[in-house]
Amino acid sequence: AQSVTQLGSHVSVSEGALVLLRCNYSSSVPPYLFWYVQYPNQGLQLLLKYTSAATLVKGINGFEAEFKKSETSFHLTKPSAHMSDAAEYFCAVRIYNNNDMRFGAGTRLTVKP
Amino acid sequence: DAGVTQSPTHLIKTRGQQVTLRCSPKSGHDTVSWYQQALGQGPQFIFQYYEEEERQRGNFPDRFSGHQFPNYSSELNVNALLLGDSALYLCASSPPEQLYTEAFFGQGTRLTVV
Repeated sequence: AQSVTQLGSHVSVSEGALVLLRCNYSSSVPPYLFWYVQYPNQGLQLLLKYTSAATLVKGINGFEAEFKKSETSFHLTKPSAHMSDAAEYFCAVRIYNNNDMRFGAGTRLTVKP
Repeated sequence: DAGVTQSPTHLIKTRGQQVTLRCSPKSGHDTVSWYQQALGQGPQFIFQYYEEEERQRGNFPDRFSGHQFPNYSSELNVNALLLGDSALYLCASSPPEQLYTEAFFGQGTRLTVV
């Protein structure tokens, strides 16, 4: 079965610094990969997704992620953190013909002024 | 477009009671999935409904059941509530032809079992 592992339950960066949130996946078939953001007491908002087209995916709010098959990774980056980026981030994997989207445990991003 | 809407936003129930949560999918979406998100964890797949039938189920007991109506809206029912059922319950809808690559989530229902 497919799964994801998010490395680091908490990440803290200074405003203006690089954001790097790590996600590794496990799948026996080509995966679809997603990054979602969750603000306190809210649902999940899609940041970006990989669906087997371009390996470098650009999303909303300046975020991007690169699918690296050799490393089974889909890390999320943003060149310059903003205070409004503070939230919980979830990586998720899905495969064709399986309706069960598997989520990681999440990474809480804190942005210091 | 109202997006995915869930009701109620919060509720408190007592152990042993039964609860029904509701979800209206995004306009044009015909598939609804339910997830349970315990505090400090990622969402876990409960089940998915399509054409008014449960299409796939995650690792949840039979106390969790659902229904989909002809207008594609859905309900999640939980019987014999346990303290461990306290969680944020999320509904996600997907459009035809993009089932595996699109999932729009609602704001969730926060269930507290006391």
